[in-house]
Amino acid sequence: DSGVTQTPKHLITATGQRVTLRCSPRSGDLSVYWYQQSLDQGLQFLIQYYNGEERAKGNILERFSAQQFPDLHSELNLSSLELGDSALYFCASSVGDRTHEQFFGPGTRLTVL
Amino acid sequence: AQRVTQPEKLLSVFKGAPVELKCNYSYSGSPELFWYVQYSRQRLQLLLRHISRESIKGFTADLNKGETSFHLKKPFAQEEDSAMYYCALKTSYDKVIFGPGTSLSVIP
Repeated sequence: DSGVTQTPKHLITATGQRVTLRCSPRSGDLSVYWYQQSLDQGLQFLIQYYNGEERAKGNILERFSAQQFPDLHSELNLSSLELGDSALYFCASSVGDRTHEQFFGPGTRLTVL
Repeated sequence: AQRVTQPEKLLSVFKGAPVELKCNYSYSGSPELFWYVQYSRQRLQLLLRHISRESIKGFTADLNKGETSFHLKKPFAQEEDSAMYYCALKTSYDKVIFGPGTSLSVIP
């Protein structure tokens, strides 16, 4: 599958814990975007990386951080987890840093108990 | 404030009827608008973007800067159009803002 992949599919953890979500972009795509989708907030843009560097920032909490590695995969780190962090986290990729079409991954469902 | 609104959470239309999914935005700069669609058990995917002025799967959308709208239209709805539709705005700083989405149900 040459599309965007995300691991794990599901993650259940407790409040106060820290988790790492992983995303591999489509082959050839240099940009990675992270989104959070919750029932009450909808789809929220968190952050974008382009070729290893932060490109744009959205509503990302200070407890959250991300990075993009030399092989272009990206990780989203969520720490001091709260119940309200339970959501679907999507990763998307695109060819360029200003390219319009984003290709989405299947998402990681995070449940904080 | 930068914002995208989609006033209808749910929209039901009969097969063959026209459909219009509303999208309004608030942005002081020059916007780039998109429509994304998520079919059941599939990934979110781009449907169309205003700059290309194309028609995809019979859908069109025109950017109306005066009314700050980017409504999605199709003259004759098909059952396979049933899905979740999201309007999105990309700002000049590359932030992407999605609307809350509209669930379209086409009744056979």
